[in-house]
Amino acid sequence: EVQLVESGGGLVQPGGSLRLSCAASGFSFSTYWMTWVRQAPGKRLEWVANIRQDENEKYYVDSVKGRFTISRDNAKNSLYLQMNSLRAEDTAVYYCATDHKGTFDYWGQGTLVTVSS
Amino acid sequence: EIVLTQSPGTLSLSPGERATLSCRASQSVSRTSLAWYQQKPGQAPRLLIYGASSRATGIPDRFSGSGSGTDFTLTISRLEPEDFAVYYCQQYGSLPRTFGQGTKLEIK
Repeated sequence: EVQLVESGGGLVQPGGSLRLSCAASGFSFSTYWMTWVRQAPGKRLEWVANIRQDENEKYYVDSVKGRFTISRDNAKNSLYLQMNSLRAEDTAVYYCATDHKGTFDYWGQGTLVTVSS
Repeated sequence: EIVLTQSPGTLSLSPGERATLSCRASQSVSRTSLAWYQQKPGQAPRLLIYGASSRATGIPDRFSGSGSGTDFTLTISRLEPEDFAVYYCQQYGSLPRTFGQGTKLEIK
């Protein structure tokens, strides 16, 4: 059974940093592109970033470029999102998901990030 | 960036009825790279349809997708109680991947 479990969310002040993790199991993690998607309270889903299997390709939505970094550790079956210079508008539930040619087949349950003073 | 606009915002129907949800793109979506997701309160989204018309694994055949270019439709032929949820379309033909604002399907 495919499982994706996010962790690392919490309350952080504007300008602060947070690192999200996503632990994968039940599938061959190293063979999948992976993605982060977020959803602000009551808002639409927003794709944040994705990463190729070997980390040689990474893409970001414009609003997080230069502030967020996606990475992975295939030996640990884990995906990460380093978030710096956080803003109030980054407040959202962050989901990790498998990225199969652009569709998000499997999702974790999400981790809530709240940016507030 | 491709902007997706879904209509209606809310659809009120009864179990057993047919639901038709629309998704319009601000520019043509390449290679019918359009997906539909279902999201229930407090849950992660679930992939229903990809490639505009192909059902994902385990999705009942009452769900069907159609369309190309800029206009896409999700149809649920006979609504079951578990189908009442929010539905999002998503394009993956170009970066950034973008989602529609959602259609809430509620029980009448």
